[in-house]
Order: sequence, then structure tokens, then C-alpha cells
Amino acid sequence: SAVISQKPSRDICQRGTSLTIQCQVDSQVTMMFWYRQQPGQSLTLIATANQGSEATYESGFVIDKFPISRPNLTFSTLTVSNMSPEDSSIYLCSVVWGYEQYFGPGTRLTVT
Amino acid sequence: AQSVTQLGSHVSVSEGALVLLRCNYSSSVPPYLFWYVQYPNQGLQLLLKYTSAATLVKGINGFEAEFKKSETSFHLTKPSAHMSDAAEYFCAVSSSSGGTSYGKLTFGQGTILTVHP
Repeated sequence: SAVISQKPSRDICQRGTSLTIQCQVDSQVTMMFWYRQQPGQSLTLIATANQGSEATYESGFVIDKFPISRPNLTFSTLTVSNMSPEDSSIYLCSVVWGYEQYFGPGTRLTVT
Repeated sequence: AQSVTQLGSHVSVSEGALVLLRCNYSSSVPPYLFWYVQYPNQGLQLLLKYTSAATLVKGINGFEAEFKKSETSFHLTKPSAHMSDAAEYFCAVSSSSGGTSYGKLTFGQGTILTVHP
């Protein structure tokens, strides 16, 4: 199995600021995925991050708001920029490894 | 395009009773289907998945699900509920075509399962 860790596990941020979330995997993976779970709602895919190339964003998500880095095969970051209360969510990192999809524990973000 | 509908945002059962969580999907290509469980303040854990092999899929913790193409359904069942089953359950679909769609899941809205003693 793949073990995923995320930092921070939670944070409370002021509107207008930015937060960078880190995702670390214990195995090398080609693709990493970032999902968002808004309060009381389901998970929505934000973007797919491949090492060595630009992230691919889903409809409704843009790079300026959610810049992603993927410097190597075990690490990725997601930045939530110029935050507003609507960005309050749980952000989850996910990977596919060995034909299984694994999710990190999530980062619970509250924007005040 | 794909979509998932979970019927019932909240399901309540008594301990020892049958658990039935409903999931219907829409997919333009043969789907892969998944059930995930999320315990409070924890990450998602895969319960089971359907990837075009046997239509009756057995998962962890005594759960199983049956893929019914004619009904576009993938309902999750467990014969006897346990208190530890209380959690939120998500049905998800992805495309079986692989490539750039691999790993991209579309989730249902989730069903919160409550188990009463």
C-alpha cells in the first residue's frame, strides 16, 4: 500500500492570505491528485499533478488560485491563494499505486 | 461525463440489522466503481471496487456490493450492522478507459450511516 501524509493537518487562516499544503507519499508515483471536500459536500477533483509537467486542472479550478508543484515522484504541494471563507474545506491528496487509489488524511482549512 | 447519485444522505439502522446504501451512476463508458468509507476526522478508506470482473464484489469489514448494469446501480450492503460501521460512505465512479482518466474519481454526495444499539 501507499502511505500518504499531509501537512498541516489543519489551519485557520485570514482571508486574503495563502496557504501551502504539502503531500508526501512513501512510494514513487507518476500521478498525484488534489481533491477538495467542502463542508457537507462530496469530494471534487481540483487537479492532477504529474512530475515534470504542468498540473492539469478540472473545470472550475484555475492555476492562479490553486498553484501546484510536483518537484519529484513522492512530493507535491497545493497552494490556496488569496483565500476567502468559501475556500474553507478539507483538501486531500491522492495517488494511484499498484492499481489502488489512496487518499491522505486531509488538511482541514478554515478561512475567517 | 460521469455522475454518481447516492440516495439518502442519512441512513439509520439498528445494530444487527441489514445495511443498504444506494448508489446509482451514469457513465458514457464502462465504469469502474468504488465505495469508500470515511470515519470522523480520518481519511478515506477503500471498502471495495468493481473493475469489470465479478459483478458481486466483496470488500472489507463484511461489506459487499453488486454491479447491476441494467439498473446502473452499485448498492452497498452488509448483512448485520455493527456499531463500528457508523461513518460516512462515498460511492465513486471513474472511467475504465485508463490513460489520463485514471485516478480521476467522481464522488457521490455521501451517506452518513448511524447505527443504534
